[in-house]
Amino acid sequence: DADVTQTPRNRITKTGKRIMLECSQTKGHDRMYWYRQDPGLGLRLIYYSFDVKDINKGEISDGYSVSRQAQAKFSLSLESAIPNQTALYFCATSDAQLADTQYFGPGTRLTVL
Amino acid sequence: AQSVTQPDIHITVSEGASLELRCNYSYGATPYLFWYVQSPGQGLQLLLKYFSGDTLVQGIKGFEAEFKRSQSSFNLRKPSVHWSDAAEYFCAGIYNNNDMRFGAGTRLTVKP
Repeated sequence: DADVTQTPRNRITKTGKRIMLECSQTKGHDRMYWYRQDPGLGLRLIYYSFDVKDINKGEISDGYSVSRQAQAKFSLSLESAIPNQTALYFCATSDAQLADTQYFGPGTRLTVL
Repeated sequence: AQSVTQPDIHITVSEGASLELRCNYSYGATPYLFWYVQSPGQGLQLLLKYFSGDTLVQGIKGFEAEFKRSQSSFNLRKPSVHWSDAAEYFCAGIYNNNDMRFGAGTRLTVKP
């Protein structure tokens, strides 16, 4: 089984809808991250969490919110989706050392019409 | 501002030829540096990382990277490319605020 799983893998939705992307990990890591990937821009950090009670904004958090339900689960929500949130979203995890290796999930492709 | 730059959007090399992918970082302090590879439809896989010490870092799949402070660079190299190396490659750096910054990526095409 994969160490970092994301659901759904693909989602098409309409403008204004609320969407939740879920991430689960079995690596026992404290730190979890959400990124979005856009062509020509690489990956950009949306939010990160160092433990269940610690949530931090990343480079592009506007329009997104997160919930760390447990050490193993980190969800990303789009309260009111808009077309420019169409992207590939990745969840990642790492151990509790600064700059430790991040392990990525397979990604969720989100299309907002 | 903290950033990592990959100057080459797309590189094509012949199978068996050598490869060098460029990466430059900005900001005064040296970040921790990483190279990741992304195969089509896949997540990112770590190739190698540099924190300190020996400036030539060995990674998986025959890749290596050299940190050069004077040039603010961390270029990825492989002496002989295989067709299976065709993928997108991302350089990334973590600065003091724990925020990982990725370059825009370099897409590698391997000609037979």
